[in-house]
Amino acid sequence: GAVVSQHPSWVICKSGTSVKIECRSLDFQATTMFWYRQFPKQSLMLMATSNEGSKATYEQGVEKDKFLINHASLTLSTLTVTSAHPEDSSFYICSAGAGRAYGYTFGSGTRLTVV
Amino acid sequence: AQKITQTQPGMFVQEKEAVTLDCTYDTSDQSYGLFWYKQPSSGEMIFLIYQGSYDEQNATEGRYSLNFQKARKSANLVISASQLGDSAMYFCAWANQAGTALIFGKGTTLSVSS
Repeated sequence: GAVVSQHPSWVICKSGTSVKIECRSLDFQATTMFWYRQFPKQSLMLMATSNEGSKATYEQGVEKDKFLINHASLTLSTLTVTSAHPEDSSFYICSAGAGRAYGYTFGSGTRLTVV
Repeated sequence: AQKITQTQPGMFVQEKEAVTLDCTYDTSDQSYGLFWYKQPSSGEMIFLIYQGSYDEQNATEGRYSLNFQKARKSANLVISASQLGDSAMYFCAWANQAGTALIFGKGTTLSVSS
């Protein structure tokens, strides 16, 4: 079946540094990648939607300059949290779509802790 | 804008009993898909079941079935014969036909006791 590899699974970084999270579709072409943020016991909050080769569409309230999303190829999308602060600590998870209403594959998520 | 509503923050059920998790949605699209996902404490998102808006029959996958009432815009998940391993958070999600939007409800935490 379709697999999305998300790395790292967890990361601890110092305040002020940047962290890159990768999502790679291993056996299919991800035409659309969704990036979500999730706080404990809460829902997945959509941060942005990216399509291969074009700029990401950010949801209202999500800082574009802070959360940089790149979808350079049909198999790789990255989320970079720039100048991370403790309030950015969260669970980040990606989901890859292949251009139809069904068939979304999730990465395993990244637990980010900023100290 | 599309909206997914799950009104049950938490549900409690005993082993072997059936449980229904509610989900309603608001959309003006004619063609769309509805999903249910399970998220255990590990954080992974586990796909359970899918219903297309034009599917005439309710979807079923093993112990999971989706009670789809299009006119009421509801897509409730029914889990039959609950097991301890079913304890997790459950999310209802809506997707557009093009696959460019995937939106989640707030989720329901299901606790199964012996």
